[in-house]
Amino acid sequence: AQSVSQHNHHVILSEAASLELGCNYSYGGTVNLFWYVQYPGQHLQLLLKYFSGDPLVKGIKGFEAEFIKSKFSFNLRKPSVQWSDTAEYFCAVNAPRGSYIPTFGRGTSLIVHP
Amino acid sequence: GAGVSQTPSNKVTEKGKYVELRCDPISGHTALYWYRQSLGQGPEFLIYFQGTGAADDSGLPNDRFFAVRPEGSVSTLKIQRTERGDSAVYLCASSLRGANTGELFFGEGSRLTVL
Repeated sequence: AQSVSQHNHHVILSEAASLELGCNYSYGGTVNLFWYVQYPGQHLQLLLKYFSGDPLVKGIKGFEAEFIKSKFSFNLRKPSVQWSDTAEYFCAVNAPRGSYIPTFGRGTSLIVHP
Repeated sequence: GAGVSQTPSNKVTEKGKYVELRCDPISGHTALYWYRQSLGQGPEFLIYFQGTGAADDSGLPNDRFFAVRPEGSVSTLKIQRTERGDSAVYLCASSLRGANTGELFFGEGSRLTVL
């Protein structure tokens, strides 16, 4: 069965610091990859997704992620975080298990101090 | 509606009771997913509907859990003989045709507490 690992469970940064959150998955075939974000008190929403093409994906709010197939990774990056980026971040992988069911990592809690 | 709507937002019940959680997906979305999220964990898949039928129910933990989507729109997750371990946030998500073609749109969840 596919699995998703997010190694950083809690990250604390100051504003303007750079961010990189790790995501590794276990499935060896074709995958679709997602990063979702959950701001305090809000529902999960999509930050960015990779289906095919350029492995460097740009998302909303200045976020980007790079798909490295050889490393089974899809790390999320932002060059300069803001206080408003404080949220939970979830990596998800879609792989054929009959019906393409997204499997989520356990999430990373990011706190950005002003 | 504009987004995925879930009711109730909060439900407190006693061990052994029956619970229903409702999800109203985005209009026109054929795919509907139920996930469960425990504290400090990511969403855990329960069941996926394509139209009216359950295309994949492999995530339902046991036969106390059941879900329906009779008209291909609103879905109800039903939990019988609730246990304290069922306490979690139950998330519903919909997608236009399925996660292999696009993103999931999530509701705000139903927080279930079993005393």
